[in-house]
Amino acid sequence: NAGVTQTPKFQVLKTGQSMTLQCAQDMNHEYMSWYRQDPGMGLRLIHYSVGAGITDQGEVPNGYNVSRSTTEDFPLRLLSAAPSQTSVYFCASSYAHRGAGELFFGEGSRLTVL
Amino acid sequence: AQSVAQPEDQVNVAEGNPLTVKCTYSVSGNPYLFWYVQYPNRGLQFLLKYITGDNLVKGSYGFEAEFNKSQTSFHLKKPSALVSDSALYFCAVMQAGTALIFGKGTTLSVSS
Repeated sequence: NAGVTQTPKFQVLKTGQSMTLQCAQDMNHEYMSWYRQDPGMGLRLIHYSVGAGITDQGEVPNGYNVSRSTTEDFPLRLLSAAPSQTSVYFCASSYAHRGAGELFFGEGSRLTVL
Repeated sequence: AQSVAQPEDQVNVAEGNPLTVKCTYSVSGNPYLFWYVQYPNRGLQFLLKYITGDNLVKGSYGFEAEFNKSQTSFHLKKPSALVSDSALYFCAVMQAGTALIFGKGTTLSVSS
């Protein structure tokens, strides 16, 4: 099984550019989420989704948009990139959000905004 | 609001010695508690979780964690550390029906 697949693995943007980080899972998981990881700050939740058509904000949602049109995909959009969004981004999914199932993580996407 | 604290940025231990990585939490109601491990340039991997039941939870790679409700703690332990256990460890907490919140992480360094 592929599990959780994130693309691209590396990306360099200029300030003001837009881009989409892709996340796909093949485990039929209801719950998907996006985190960013910064040194000394651990993982912070950006957005999450408990099922197709349902999304909600996490701790640090500003500057990011998400949508969940299918169970498999949960893309993260940066509409106008800023240097503060330089980070490593992780997508994660779980089979049972309310039942507190374990999260399965992708390998991460390293984004640099100049 | 729920929160989780890992008071130590780094824990150093010699191979063969027991290790403890500390975690305390704050939630309303009963918590769901997790430990994850991250190796360099990789995503996080699940180690163990506490939902209900026995306060001592056993997980992957010989790790275990003890839930202490009165001290609101969920410390990760292993009786005998290996050099290969060296990694970044995250504690996480979920209040039922909400999202998973992570601590800032503790770097475990096991020396040979």
